[in-house]
Amino acid sequence: GEDVEQSLFLSVREGDSSVINCTYTDSSSTYLYWYKQEPGAGLQLLTYIFSNMDMKQDQRLTVLLNKKDKHLSLRIADTQTGDSAIYFCAEIAGGGADGLTFGKGTHLIIQP
Amino acid sequence: SAVISQKPSRDICQRGTSLTIQCQVDSQVTMMFWYRQQPGQSLTLIATANQGSEATYESGFVIDKFPISRPNLTFSTLTVSNMSPEDSSIYLCSAESGSGQYFGPGTRLTVL
Repeated sequence: GEDVEQSLFLSVREGDSSVINCTYTDSSSTYLYWYKQEPGAGLQLLTYIFSNMDMKQDQRLTVLLNKKDKHLSLRIADTQTGDSAIYFCAEIAGGGADGLTFGKGTHLIIQP
Repeated sequence: SAVISQKPSRDICQRGTSLTIQCQVDSQVTMMFWYRQQPGQSLTLIATANQGSEATYESGFVIDKFPISRPNLTFSTLTVSNMSPEDSSIYLCSAESGSGQYFGPGTRLTVL
């Protein structure tokens, strides 16, 4: 079945860039997503990328997709304390008729 | 995007009882889903709530344990039946809207 892998923790200094990586196995993935979950809160859809794109930028967020290697990354520029959260990578095959397959999430820790 | 609300936000239940969780979307959506997030874990898809027909369950989840209703395009319920402590989790509903799945705030269930 599909599998999505992420590192469990990432520690960065405030003001630096954070790069969160994700690999997936499903070659039929059509959309790939990044969600943010703050402590005690629900999931916030941050951004997504369609599988025929290789990059998407949205303010401080940059998503890179290497479809050949099935590798997705999320770069957060100028990381702030408010970026401290768990970041989930998720993928979907098809046009939205299926549920998402999530990675285990990466805890982003911000050092002052 | 879609705005999704869930009721209750949390509950503490006794072993052997059942709890029904409600999910309301602020607009009509075709696809609704139910997920479970066990403590410290990622999200796992329970089922797709199909309007006008039976829900489609993922491997490891069955209708007798997690009956789902989807009476219209804005509302769904998930019942957790005959609960045991292993059912303690956050239960989240989501809706497909545009190019992404948006999530409700979740229902935190504790079974004693």
